[in-house]
Amino acid sequence: RKEVEQDPGPFNVPEGATVAFNCTYSNSASQSFFWYRQDCRKEPKLLMSVYSSGNEDGRFTAQLNRASQYISLLIRDSKLSDSATYLCVVNLPLDSWGKLQFGAGTQVVVTP
Amino acid sequence: GAVVSQHPSWVICKSGTSVKIECRSLDFQATTMFWYRQFPKQSLMLMATSNEGSKATYEQGVEKDKFLINHASLTLSTLTVTSAHPEDSSFYICSASTGTEAFFGQGTRLTVV
Repeated sequence: RKEVEQDPGPFNVPEGATVAFNCTYSNSASQSFFWYRQDCRKEPKLLMSVYSSGNEDGRFTAQLNRASQYISLLIRDSKLSDSATYLCVVNLPLDSWGKLQFGAGTQVVVTP
Repeated sequence: GAVVSQHPSWVICKSGTSVKIECRSLDFQATTMFWYRQFPKQSLMLMATSNEGSKATYEQGVEKDKFLINHASLTLSTLTVTSAHPEDSSFYICSASTGTEAFFGQGTRLTVV
């Protein structure tokens, strides 16, 4: 079983609409959670960290559900520039910080 | 923000040759760096943890004699793919952490022909 699992998509989203997707993780003791964005053939870039209380950054909202072991990302008012692959990333317990486990990514395609 | 620079960004090499990829932390010191590999439409997979001044720690299934890692200074780690074969063609990417955030190099797209 993979440490981090995501729906690969693609999620085809009309511009201005809202899209949400989840990611599940297998290790209940996982400590830190992140959403990274990866554009085609580029390196991943941190979108936002995910906190237990949930957090929002502009049009992006992240939630963590420890009981069910999933995190979610919601994008409101989608822009064409939001088209990318969104990677769910987990820092496992006892791993050195920076040793991250990646999901395979969820592709989002925002259409005009 | 912190910057990690990776070089080269792409390389084409002949089967059987070796390729060296460099990863530098430009404005911070990194005692630990990480090397990942990503095949098309797959997730980034951790290959090894590069430790400054000591041997790298390899993930299960990664051949340490094939993927040589050297971390001679606090700002530079290198990955050498030895005797490359077409199945080694992939996107290789390094990362380093400041302790609060992980930063990635630009990645190296290796094509072995």
